[in-house]
Amino acid sequence: SQQGEEDPQALSIQEGENATMNCSYKTSINNLQWYRQNSGRGLVHLILIRSNEREKHSGRLRVTLDTSKKSSSLLITASRAADTASYFCATDVKGAQKLVFGQGTRLTINP
Amino acid sequence: DADVTQTPRNRITKTGKRIMLECSQTKGHDRMYWYRQDPGLGLQLIYYSFDVKDINKGEISDGYSVSRQAQAKFSLSLESAIPNQTALYFCATSGTGNADTQYFGPGTRLTVL
Repeated sequence: SQQGEEDPQALSIQEGENATMNCSYKTSINNLQWYRQNSGRGLVHLILIRSNEREKHSGRLRVTLDTSKKSSSLLITASRAADTASYFCATDVKGAQKLVFGQGTRLTINP
Repeated sequence: DADVTQTPRNRITKTGKRIMLECSQTKGHDRMYWYRQDPGLGLQLIYYSFDVKDINKGEISDGYSVSRQAQAKFSLSLESAIPNQTALYFCATSGTGNADTQYFGPGTRLTVL
């Protein structure tokens, strides 16, 4: 089963609204990362949050991490049409020395 | 110029053919990875390499092989392609440390008929 599972699988909102995506994982991690993928293209790193951090901001992005619940959320505020993409969480599992990706949330921003 | 490049970008081949996908990077990273992405799904790790003499199997290495020719180059081969290997293939690199940020190439779309 997937180390990182994302919810929802798909999300459609109006431009200007906030979008929230969630990621749950199973084992202890060093850090958790979020990536964006525009259709058919390579993934682009958005933000990294370490296991001893609870919240991190980058521009319109806000990431939270709750290690007791083994979950993270990505909030995109004031969404824009250009935010339309798939968003993936990736966990750096302790001892694994590699990232494990979730299946992603497909976000559509309607004008 | 892109930091991580992949060739070819698109390839259509027939069942049983040998295919090589190539990846080059100018980021000076030691770590390189090959992933496969099926439609609507996340990435699955095929192989990874932490330096020129290091090769490790990922989750789905069967039917694939790799070669790390230099720090900057990492090739993925399908010895005898089959239709269920039709997918998007991505190369990525990262620095040392605990799974630092990964930088992805643009992908190769492979179709096996």
